[in-house]
Amino acid sequence: DAGVIQSPRHEVTEMGQEVTLRCKPISGHDYLFWYRQTMMRGLELLIYFNNNVPIDDSGMPEDRFSAKMPNASFSTLKIQPSEPRDSAVYFCASSFFAGEETQYFGPGTRLLVL
Amino acid sequence: AQKVTQAQTEISVVEKEDVTLDCVYETRDTTYYLFWYKQPPSGELVFLIRRNSFDEQNEISGRYSWNFQKSTSSFNFTITASQVVDSAVYFCALNLGFSSGSARQLTFGSGTQLTVLP
Repeated sequence: DAGVIQSPRHEVTEMGQEVTLRCKPISGHDYLFWYRQTMMRGLELLIYFNNNVPIDDSGMPEDRFSAKMPNASFSTLKIQPSEPRDSAVYFCASSFFAGEETQYFGPGTRLLVL
Repeated sequence: AQKVTQAQTEISVVEKEDVTLDCVYETRDTTYYLFWYKQPPSGELVFLIRRNSFDEQNEISGRYSWNFQKSTSSFNFTITASQVVDSAVYFCALNLGFSSGSARQLTFGSGTQLTVLP
């Protein structure tokens, strides 16, 4: 089975532009997570979904960030407008509802905002 | 609140040496899950192992082994006969699981950069 798929793998944009990151979770997984990784803050959870419904978005930094999951196989994380401090690696992960709850990560999107 | 501490920021060893990466966790819950992930230079996060709080058996997988000790709240990772390809950042993480009322998020340690020199 294919792993978590993310696109694009790299994104370079200018401050003020809209950025959309995409994620396809592993088929059958009912939890989807968005994480951000920076040198300063390490790996931090932004938001997670259960059965396409956002459950906890307390990690979303500010209103410029939004995430959607229109169906079980697709999610987006949007930043509008983007700022240089948003530069980071954004990971999507998915898991199956089970006791162990292992999260499997996608390859990440490396975002650079100039 | 839960916390994961990886006190070793960087470790450098010569190939074929054994190396142990330390992980100390904090949680008040009795049910929890511990994980190790590997992040090679290419950047992806690769799942290595999961352990639940009720299973203190050590585990061995090839050159990798894990030592889980609830008495010291530690979940250490040992690589035997290290190889250059083991060079990566290794993250320890904690999840409280469904039994907890809190978010089902992974709490990550800050990671240990392992460099294996030829």
